Amino acid sequence: AQKITQTQPGMFVQEKEAVTLDCTYDTSDPSYGLFWYKQPSSGEMIFLIYQGSYDQQNATEGRYSLNFQKARKSANLVISASQLGDSAMYFCAMRPSTGNQFYFGTGTSLTVIP
Amino acid sequence: DSGVTQTPKHLITATGQRVTLRCSPRSGDLSVYWYQQSLDQGLQFLIQYYNGEERAKGNILERFSAQQFPDLHSELNLSSLELGDSALYFCASSVRSGGSRDTQYFGPGTRLTVL
Repeated sequence: AQKITQTQPGMFVQEKEAVTLDCTYDTSDPSYGLFWYKQPSSGEMIFLIYQGSYDQQNATEGRYSLNFQKARKSANLVISASQLGDSAMYFCAMRPSTGNQFYFGTGTSLTVIP
Repeated sequence: DSGVTQTPKHLITATGQRVTLRCSPRSGDLSVYWYQQSLDQGLQFLIQYYNGEERAKGNILERFSAQQFPDLHSELNLSSLELGDSALYFCASSVRSGGSRDTQYFGPGTRLTVL
């Protein structure tokens, strides 16, 4: 069965500090993609970063990086130098190479404190 | 801006009514996905179309139906609406019908309120 788990319903971080949002997954598919999306209070879902299961290096996109630990089946999102605009819900998602579906976690609400 | 467009942005209607939500995918994307996001259910996958054909079905009610047209835009039809159908409905698109590298890009959503 495919499953994404985000155990932190809410997180707080001081402005300019780094924060890690946790994501663990379960799949029997040897090839899969891992994605993170941001949903600000305005509602839209914004694609942030992608990590392939066979990628040798951890993905980075600007202030976002993905701490991918394949053996532990975790794909944590690291946001460096937090900004007030980073306050939002963050969703982790997985897409196995077989089948058509994306599997989403329940999300983590991040609040950046000035 | 993801390039995925959805109309209308907001929709308020009454129980028992029927509504149609519209989505245009990003240029070059052949797959369209529909999701429902409500407060107590999280993000629920409803249905996927690829180049006009249904490819995957999730937790879509029988009162709901969708289609993808030859120009690749898609419509989600919701009928016999109930209070519990109030939610944010997202459309997403991707290039292919599947594969681990096929990224979904989301539209801004349609917020449906059933009174």
